Amino acid sequence: ETGVTQTPRHLVMGMTNKKSLKCEQHLGHNAMYWYKQSAKKPLELMFVYNFKEQTENNSVPSRFSPECPNSSHLFLHLHTLQPEDSALYLCASSHLTSGGGANTGELFFGEGSRLTVL
Amino acid sequence: GQNIDQPTEMTATEGAIVQINCTYQTSGFNGLFWYQQHAGEAPTFLSYNVLDGLEEKGRFSSFLSRSKGYSYLLLKELQMKDSASYLCAVLDSNYQLIWGAGTKLIIKP
Repeated sequence: ETGVTQTPRHLVMGMTNKKSLKCEQHLGHNAMYWYKQSAKKPLELMFVYNFKEQTENNSVPSRFSPECPNSSHLFLHLHTLQPEDSALYLCASSHLTSGGGANTGELFFGEGSRLTVL
Repeated sequence: GQNIDQPTEMTATEGAIVQINCTYQTSGFNGLFWYQQHAGEAPTFLSYNVLDGLEEKGRFSSFLSRSKGYSYLLLKELQMKDSASYLCAVLDSNYQLIWGAGTKLIIKP
């Protein structure tokens, strides 16, 4: 496989359920991201992992819990979600420049996990 | 605050030319990206501009004016497969990507 793979592609869950989204990248990148995409809104950055270390947490509610066991895998654990959390959750990866670890900007996205919270 | 503005939706005819504009106000500037996203698919990279001027890549071109905080994506010889959303994003001084809400382009025969 190549690129960025996300599973599941679709998920329906109740507010009391616990589920996880999975992302895997086969590009040798050293940074991985979770984004939330809602209709007609800009992509919202949720979490960033650089070299497996979390470097960004953009005021995301604690009902979203990321996990990055290695540079190729990223999880988003979900629990007690709200209906307004229904959205497309996109995983992305990128290459960081050496030294300063600055994001080069070009992101490679997975096709997303469409989440519906009932 | 930081802001990226682009039209919500545009319609064009197959074979024609369309220009999608993007204006930005950000804390610093380290480049501007355009991504294409077909419905139900992943966004994919189209172009990157960091210097003023026009970058051409086949039927697609991207223009940047840093002094005006302005960019456009120009699509020529439109094809039905070009129907998609086009996302503008700016890399700010902290190397964070600031995203626009996207422009949905509808191509009619």
